[in-house]
Amino acid sequence: EIVMTQSPATLSVSPGERGTLSCRASQNVNSDLAWYQQIPGQAPRLLIYGASTRATGIPARFSGSGSGTEFSLTINSLQSEDFAVYYCQQYKDWPYSFGQGTKLEIK
Amino acid sequence: EVKLVESGGGLVQPGGSLRLSCAASGFTSATYWMSWIRQAPGKGLEWVATINQDESKKYSMGSVKGRFTISRDSAKNLLFLQMNSLRAEDTGIYFCARDYYGSGLSYFDYWGQGILVTVSS
Repeated sequence: EIVMTQSPATLSVSPGERGTLSCRASQNVNSDLAWYQQIPGQAPRLLIYGASTRATGIPARFSGSGSGTEFSLTINSLQSEDFAVYYCQQYKDWPYSFGQGTKLEIK
Repeated sequence: EVKLVESGGGLVQPGGSLRLSCAASGFTSATYWMSWIRQAPGKGLEWVATINQDESKKYSMGSVKGRFTISRDSAKNLLFLQMNSLRAEDTGIYFCARDYYGSGLSYFDYWGQGILVTVSS
């Protein structure tokens, strides 16, 4: 079973600044990695798939990078609607697994 | 517009059963793998189960094997999760989601709003 570990648990960033979130896989997942955003009370929304491809309608300030076991999600020029919880998910093998989430909060 | 709408949640006693449904619209659900993902109160996302188009392949997380069964009625664009022998730790919001790839092992490109399941005496 592939374990996904996200860091930090909470990231405090000022609006307009950049935030970088990390995700580590316990074994190689190639680029089979997705990122989701969840605003409290809402369903998760797909942001990134294939480690670096933005989903339809996702602003260019969101970017993903990495492969193998180390991944990151960078959000440039943070806007108020970006403060949420972010999850990574591997789909390299069964069972699917998510990281525990990073809460991005306003500094 | 793709829509997924869950129903069937509620309060159930430990050991009881519930059947969740997910109604899909705006796309031909019969051509997609579909999944259930859950979220315990204040916790992260946890994948529960996935089914392929013709129900010949089903995958589920270890702690629900033998208790939960995923199924579908493709003609009616419905996805189901039959949950038996429910435990307190099964409490949470259950989301249905569409697997993007039609061949298994995928990310989830559309999610329902979720339905609350509470297991408590």
